[in-house]
Amino acid sequence: DIQMTQSPSSLSASVGDRVTITCRASQSISSYLNWYRQNPGKAPELLIYAASSLQNGVSSRFTGSGSGTDFTLTISSLQPEDFATYYCQQSYSAPYSFGQGTKLEIK
Amino acid sequence: QVQLVQSGAEVKKPGASVKVSCKASGYNFTNYALHWVRQAPGQRLEWMGWINTDNGNTKYSQKFQDRVTITRDTSAITGYMDLRGLRSEDTAVYYCARGTMIVNWFGPWGQGTLVTVSS
Repeated sequence: DIQMTQSPSSLSASVGDRVTITCRASQSISSYLNWYRQNPGKAPELLIYAASSLQNGVSSRFTGSGSGTDFTLTISSLQPEDFATYYCQQSYSAPYSFGQGTKLEIK
Repeated sequence: QVQLVQSGAEVKKPGASVKVSCKASGYNFTNYALHWVRQAPGQRLEWMGWINTDNGNTKYSQKFQDRVTITRDTSAITGYMDLRGLRSEDTAVYYCARGTMIVNWFGPWGQGTLVTVSS
């Protein structure tokens, strides 16, 4: 099974800041990497698919990059609704595993 | 708009079974896969399996292979996840999520169903 590891596990930032979250796969997954945002008590929301494609309706302040084993999610200007937990997920092979999450908190 | 609406919270005793439903609206049900993902308290998301809603084929995570069955009723535009032999570690929020038939990213998601396993 493919293991997904995110860093950092938590992060403090302010509204308007730019932040980057990293996700590493235990083996190459090409560009089969997706990012989700989960607000407290809510279902996850797809932000980025195939490493760098922005899901319809998602703000362009979210950018994904990477291929192989190393990937990043960048949020260019944090908004209040962005203080949430972010998960990466590999869709290369079943079981489709997730990272442990990165909790983004208000500084 | 595309929406998945799940059944309500359940409380079950150890050893029992639970069946969670997921009703779709706003899109052609049989053009998309339906996945099931769970999240235990404070834990990461965990993929359980998926169903091809067109032909009914399924694929399960090996972790749940012996205990889970995913089905669908195309006339009711509803998917189902049945988990047997419940134990306390199965206490979690269970989500359904739409996926493509080819590449497995998930969106949108149902609102989640809390299943509590307690004696």
